[in-house]
Amino acid sequence: DTAVSQTPKYLVTQMGNDKSIKCEQNLGHDTMYWYKQDSKKFLKIMFSYNNKELIINETVPNRFSPKSPDKAHLNLHINSLELGDSAVYFCASSQAPGGDGYTFGSGTRLTVV
Amino acid sequence: AQSVTQLDSQVPVFEEAPVELRCNYSSSVSVYLFWYVQYPNQGLQLLLKYLSGSTLVKGINGFEAEFNKSQTSFHLRKPSVHISDTAEYFCAVSHTGTASKLTFGTGTRLQVTL
Repeated sequence: DTAVSQTPKYLVTQMGNDKSIKCEQNLGHDTMYWYKQDSKKFLKIMFSYNNKELIINETVPNRFSPKSPDKAHLNLHINSLELGDSAVYFCASSQAPGGDGYTFGSGTRLTVV
Repeated sequence: AQSVTQLDSQVPVFEEAPVELRCNYSSSVSVYLFWYVQYPNQGLQLLLKYLSGSTLVKGINGFEAEFNKSQTSFHLRKPSVHISDTAEYFCAVSHTGTASKLTFGTGTRLQVTL
């Protein structure tokens, strides 16, 4: 049973489209995150939710909008996709913000053409 | 603010040789420290973590790391590597608090060859 699952695993889309990535965790964790990994493997946090409340919102274009319907789910919606959005997006969860390590999903590779 | 520096972007090593991957951190508060491994086209897997207590931490796959507060370092070591250890290794730091986040270093590519 996958602890943190993301769908889809691969996403190829054209510039200007709108797309969503879904994330679910079955660990009972209170906090969930979205990270972006660029082509140089650098990982940068985008958003963090604790019990459905947004607690971290890094400098991310407002075309990116996270949504947490409950504490087990954190989805990422991206409007008007641009070439520079191509990356691997990782969802993660933890019991508490910052502590005890995160459990990561397997990633969603987004390619904008 | 916190930051992590991984001094080596790539570390080539022969199989069965020892290896050390270096990590230094900067933070104005007490930290938690982590090492993650990423195999090709996969997500990140936690290797080990330091939260408090003993400064020598043992993790999975025979890896260990030592927290050195005076040198602000958390280097990862393995006495004898295997071909299957070839992967990207990330050091990360966080601290307690509701706005805490895991901040990653730029990664070190460990390449093990025969």
